[in-house]
Order: sequence, then C-alpha cells, then structure tokens
Amino acid sequence: AQSVAQPEDQVNVAEGNPLTVKCTYSVSGNPYLFWYVQYPNRGLQFLLKYITGDNLVKGSYGFEAEFNKSQTSFHLKKPSALVSDSALYFCAVRDGGASKLTFGTGTRLQVTL
Amino acid sequence: DAGVIQSPRHEVTEMGQEVTLRCKPISGHNSLFWYRQTMMRGLELLIYFNNNVPIDDSGMPEDRFSAKMPNASFSTLKIQPSEPRDSAVYFCASSPPSGAGGYTFGSGTRLTVV
Repeated sequence: AQSVAQPEDQVNVAEGNPLTVKCTYSVSGNPYLFWYVQYPNRGLQFLLKYITGDNLVKGSYGFEAEFNKSQTSFHLKKPSALVSDSALYFCAVRDGGASKLTFGTGTRLQVTL
Repeated sequence: DAGVIQSPRHEVTEMGQEVTLRCKPISGHNSLFWYRQTMMRGLELLIYFNNNVPIDDSGMPEDRFSAKMPNASFSTLKIQPSEPRDSAVYFCASSPPSGAGGYTFGSGTRLTVV
C-alpha cells in the first residue's frame, strides 16, 4: 500500500521569506513523488516530480523539493515566497509500478506582505 | 495539446435530476481518473480507468453514481438521481502509459444541486 501525509493544514509565511511545505510518504517499492498546486477555482497543476537521480528537484515558479529516502520525506521549498504563491499544495506518491497516485490532504500556503 | 477538457464548467440542477459530466483526456494517455473535491472531504478518488477498463471504483459513493469510458477519448460520470450532498467540484485527470508520468487535471465541473 502507498500513502502520503501532509502534517500541516496551513503554512503562513511573510513575502520574501523562505517557505517549506512538508510531505512524508510510505511505499513498498521505489517511490515516484509529485507536487501539485491548486489556485482558487482551478484544477491541480503539476509543479515538479522526483523519479530517480538527484535528490534535489527543481520545478515551476522557483519551487524545489528534496527527496530524503532515510526520512521518507519530500518537502517542497522556495527560497523567497511571493504573495502570488498563496494556494493549496498537494503532495502525491506512486509506488513504482502502480497506475494510481495517492494524494495528501493538501496544505494551504498563505503568503502575506 | 489542449489538455484535459471537461464540460460543463458549471452545472446547477434540481434535486432528483440526472447529471452527466464529461471528460476528454489527453491523446495518448491511457489512464483516466475521476475525483471529487469538497471543503469537508478534500480530494477523493471516485473511479479510474486503464485502457478504457474500470480498474477501481471503490470510491464511488453509492449506486447513484456511474462512470463509463466507451473509447480512449471520452468518459462520462453520471449521477442519477442527484442530491444536494453531491454538490462539489468534479475533476477529471489523465496520465500517460509511463509510470513516471504524473496526472494532468482538467479545470473541473462545479456542480450545485438545489
């Protein structure tokens, strides 16, 4: 079975400060890990993914995520937050050969001036 | 590519009426997923198809819900009869054959049952 946990319902950050949105996962095989972002009244949009290779993955809009196998984590980060980054962020995991992604419950990011 | 196309974008219907939501996946994608999103329950997987065949419908809330995928380019989610508690945003997503691919989501259908 595969599962993913996003321990924070909401993260509040001041613009210009670094941000981290946490995600931990559980799979029996090799994890394929994803981050999606959802802006109001929109569908989920792909941000970045980790399949293999470098543990630091860079994605859209200046976001990056670090794969940590020993801690089974895949935290989303950005060095300097923007107000426009305010949205709902979903982490997702797929066990290597599976068709289905399992999504976390989402973390709402609020960036204020 | 136009992405995953869902219709209608908004649907308002009266309780007891039949509602049909439509989805056109990305060409070449062989998996299709229907999700429901509400404030209370978050994002829920209702059903998914591989190569037009339903693989897992355990998320379908009850017999009032049904989904079909008659061909690789079209899927429907039907609610009959609809109830106010079905009000939600329904998303369709598709993914390519490669296991390394993520999902591409449509813009969703906002359903309101009054």
